Amino acid sequence: DTAVSQTPKYLVTQMGNDKSIKCEQNLGHDTMYWYKQDSKKFLKIMFSYNNKELIINETVPNRFSPKSPDKAHLNLHINSLELGDSAVYFCASSLLGGEETQYFGPGTRLLVL
Amino acid sequence: RKEVEQDPGPFNVPEGATVAFNCTYSNSASQSFFWYRQDCRKEPKLLMSVYSSGNEDGRFTAQLNRASQYISLLIRDSKLSDSATYLCVVVQGGSYIPTFGRGTSLIVHP
Repeated sequence: DTAVSQTPKYLVTQMGNDKSIKCEQNLGHDTMYWYKQDSKKFLKIMFSYNNKELIINETVPNRFSPKSPDKAHLNLHINSLELGDSAVYFCASSLLGGEETQYFGPGTRLLVL
Repeated sequence: RKEVEQDPGPFNVPEGATVAFNCTYSNSASQSFFWYRQDCRKEPKLLMSVYSSGNEDGRFTAQLNRASQYISLLIRDSKLSDSATYLCVVVQGGSYIPTFGRGTSLIVHP
């Protein structure tokens, strides 16, 4: 009964490729997030959606495009992958907004070669 | 000055020790505060929220000092299983954007 799930868990790909990461939560939460955790373990917010609407869009290259088909799903599509995109990407959700407890998915480890 | 700063450590302590971490934040309008725990190669998980009056959960005590803009986490009677990275989270008022610190690594040894 995973609360926040992500697929795939591991992703190894070549520079220049396009890839997607999927996230689903079954907690009935209104808000979902994407975070990037780099090699120095710094966890930085990328996007946040509330009930399918984008509410936070930090300084992220246009190659990253989130999509929320419904409030239980927030997918991340990355175009023209670069070496610097290698990181762990975490999806998270919270009941209402960022001021509340966030529940994280297990992470997707992306390696760009 | 970084928005949320933590001493990365590692803090290397024996079982049974008491250890304290601080986290400073730069935005005085910050509204909500949390401590998360992240085990190696795992996702962050909430350890505890931090309330203005301070709060305690078993061996863990969290405190907020708004005047000096820092929060603290005290762990008493450390266990081997407490070894992890402890992440401070500060949420800005109004925008509700959560900002994570880089984390403090704790290693509890026998």
